[in-house]
Amino acid sequence: AQSVTQLGSHVSVSEGALVLLRCNYSSSVPPYLFWYVQYPNQGLQLLLKYTSAATLVKGINGFEAEFKKSETSFHLTKPSAHMSDAAEYFCAVSDRGSSNTGKLIFGQGTTLQVKP
Amino acid sequence: DTEVTQTPKHLVMGMTNKKSLKCEQHMGHRAMYWYKQKAKKPPELMFVYSYEKLSINESVPSRFSPECPNSSLLNLHLHALQPEDSALYLCASSRGPESGEQFFGPGTRLTVL
Repeated sequence: AQSVTQLGSHVSVSEGALVLLRCNYSSSVPPYLFWYVQYPNQGLQLLLKYTSAATLVKGINGFEAEFKKSETSFHLTKPSAHMSDAAEYFCAVSDRGSSNTGKLIFGQGTTLQVKP
Repeated sequence: DTEVTQTPKHLVMGMTNKKSLKCEQHMGHRAMYWYKQKAKKPPELMFVYSYEKLSINESVPSRFSPECPNSSLLNLHLHALQPEDSALYLCASSRGPESGEQFFGPGTRLTVL
């Protein structure tokens, strides 16, 4: 069975500081991994995805994530936080087992607060 | 067209009402999904349609009834809901169930009185 753990339900950074949101996964098969962002009262927007190509993945809005198989991690980073980055962030792993159900398994989410 | 649209944006209904949520995509995607999301929680999968056939029902109560009239449309029919069903209902689509990457609509905010 696959699972995702996001370490830290709430992260607070100052504007211009490094953003680091942590995600660890468990999967018995090579996973697809995703980071989504959700602004208040909106749907989820895909930030970036790992699909077994390059381990360092660049996404939108200056975010990137590195797939580390040895650490089963897929942490999200951004060098310099903007006020507009304040939102809820979800890490997700895709069910790529033999059933190919397409289920996305989400972490519990991390709320990013950016202080001026 | 690279988006998933959902109507209505907001819906308030009584426990005896019947209403429907609508989702549409024109990206040629062959898998579509309904999720329920409570505040400060991740989305919970309700249903998956794959090639217009219901492939997953996550033990959802029968007061929620999905329908996929064609490959672009997905409906969720609501009847005799409970106040605890109040939530944000999200629709998503993907190229196929095996592709992993899902595109989400903006959601319908449902309030059950």
